[in-house]
Amino acid sequence: KQEVTQIPAALSVPEGENLVLNCSFTDSAIYNLQWFRQDPGKGLTSLLLIQSSQREQTSGRLNASLDKSSGRSTLYIAASQPGDSATYLCAVSGNTPLVFGKGTRLSVIA
Amino acid sequence: ETGVTQSPTHLIKTRGQQVTLRCSSQSGHNTVSWYQQALGQGPQFIFQYYREEENGRGNFPPRFSGLQFPNYSSELNVNALELDDSALYLCASTPPDRGGDTQYFGPGTRLTVL
Repeated sequence: KQEVTQIPAALSVPEGENLVLNCSFTDSAIYNLQWFRQDPGKGLTSLLLIQSSQREQTSGRLNASLDKSSGRSTLYIAASQPGDSATYLCAVSGNTPLVFGKGTRLSVIA
Repeated sequence: ETGVTQSPTHLIKTRGQQVTLRCSSQSGHNTVSWYQQALGQGPQFIFQYYREEENGRGNFPPRFSGLQFPNYSSELNVNALELDDSALYLCASTPPDRGGDTQYFGPGTRLTVL
């Protein structure tokens, strides 16, 4: 059974810092991995999708990497801003629809 | 904006009651998935519908049921509500020919069971 773990559970940083969020998964037989953003009480916004054959994806200040063999992904956020404050979820898909981690709650302090 | 809408936004019910949640996907999206997200947890897959037929189910009891209509809108029905059913319910639609992983999420329905 696929399990997804995200570390840390919460993170508070001053504005302008670069930061890394971590995601690990137990079954490396995945089709892809996605990172989502969720604002309090809201739905999910897809940030980046990495296919299993890819190593990384970039969008603006965000860069996500995938090491399928070790079951790890990282989301790198450059020059963080208060507007980045949200919960970040990673999810993997394999033989079942998306399996999510519990998320990392990020606070960027101005 | 993903073009996926859900209603109602919030709902309060009591134990034992029944509830119906609705999802309207983007035009032409023929696959819809439902997820339950308890407070502080990641979303958990409930089931998926493709062209009006159930196409996969997570570890949820039969009192969770669904429907997908010819216009691809969808309903999630929960019978005999329990306190632990309190959660944010998310639906996600997938466009045809994009694979099951390109999902567009709605804003969710917050269900509180008292």
